[in-house]
Amino acid sequence: NAGVTQTPKFQVLKTGQSMTLQCAQDMNHEYMSWYRQDPGMGLRLIHYSVGAGITDQGEVPNGYNVSRSTTEDFPLRLLSAAPSQTSVYFCASSYFGRGANTEAFFGQGTRLTVV
Amino acid sequence: GIQVEQSPPDLILQEGANSTLRCNFSDSVNNLQWFHQNPWGQLINLFYIPSGTKQNGRLSATTVATERYSLLYISSSQTTDSGVYFCAVGTGTASKLTFGTGTRLQVTL
Repeated sequence: NAGVTQTPKFQVLKTGQSMTLQCAQDMNHEYMSWYRQDPGMGLRLIHYSVGAGITDQGEVPNGYNVSRSTTEDFPLRLLSAAPSQTSVYFCASSYFGRGANTEAFFGQGTRLTVV
Repeated sequence: GIQVEQSPPDLILQEGANSTLRCNFSDSVNNLQWFHQNPWGQLINLFYIPSGTKQNGRLSATTVATERYSLLYISSSQTTDSGVYFCAVGTGTASKLTFGTGTRLQVTL
């Protein structure tokens, strides 16, 4: 049982390049999300999904695109990388709902540098 | 949106000391989690505690939902406890978490 797996762990991009951060979970969770963490700050929500084919924006969605074609995978695409997107990115998954156990589990993070 | 405030922002302890970290939130929540981010950046789940009290070894947590705060207790601290402790809450759709800015803990010998 691997939990939440993110690839790659580290990435350096040039300004204007595009790339996809991968996230996969094997816990059959409906809810998946992407956060970014900047120095000295907590995590901020970029995009989230409550199931295959359903996505929505979080607090800081600009410059990022997501899709959810399967329950297991939730990739995050940077369309045209900018230095302001230098950050550590975390993917999370959980069951979805109000009364049920909705404990979130996080991947190990992807450290992205845009030069 | 909901505001999450953690205190203190920084804490330095000698090994063996006890500490209490606090998380205040501005609205009713149906999800509250405590995480430890270790020096390698990994987020480790400590407690899922939208209400009540839980204990796990030297760590325990209490959430008083009616008064909108949660406390994380660390007893007999060890150097491996160093890192940043985050509180995160969910309102409405409990899965959607809002994080505080964390408490940075350093445990010295």
